[in-house]
Amino acid sequence: ELKVEQNPLFLSMQEGKNYTIYCNYSTTSDRLYWYRQDPGKSLESLFVLLSNGAVKQEGRLMASLDTKARLSTLHITAAVHDLSATYFCAVDKSSNYQLIWGAGTKLIIKP
Amino acid sequence: EAGVAQSPRYKIIEKRQSVAFWCNPISGHATLYWYQQILGQGPKLLIQFQNNGVVDDSQLPKDRFSAERLKGVDSTLKIQPAKLEDSAVYLCASNQGGWAYEQYFGPGTRLTVT
Repeated sequence: ELKVEQNPLFLSMQEGKNYTIYCNYSTTSDRLYWYRQDPGKSLESLFVLLSNGAVKQEGRLMASLDTKARLSTLHITAAVHDLSATYFCAVDKSSNYQLIWGAGTKLIIKP
Repeated sequence: EAGVAQSPRYKIIEKRQSVAFWCNPISGHATLYWYQQILGQGPKLLIQFQNNGVVDDSQLPKDRFSAERLKGVDSTLKIQPAKLEDSAVYLCASNQGGWAYEQYFGPGTRLTVT
């Protein structure tokens, strides 16, 4: 059974600091997705990582994928308050385009 | 391009009552998903449609939940009768059906069962 684990589940940090969210998954998959969810809002796609070694960056966020280690990271550089949200990773279950989701990392960035 | 539409946005019902949710996916998206998201958790897939056929409904509590996607476009999800533990946000998502495409989510329906 494919399982996806994120850590930490909760992160409180100061503006201007750097930090990394980790996403581990249990079986082989070449496709991983990162989503953002603001409180009371729906899920917004951030990154789609489709191969080993894939790296994507958007503003202060950078995501990478290591399929051999079954690990993806979401790195936050010089955090700002607007990045406060819950971040989910999801792994493609293959065959039927289904996603298995992590529990989410709630990120609070204090001014 | 219009996004995924859902209604209603909020619903409060008593246990044992019935409720229905509606979803209109992005135009041209063949695949439609219904998820249940309980507060503090990731989304849990309830049912997946490809056009108007069911691909996977293995996690749908079929004794009380039903879903349909007539004509391969709009979809409805129904709960009858509702239980307290059904309180959650119900999210509809769609994608083009290919493996490289992310899912696009609607705003969700927040259901409270009292």
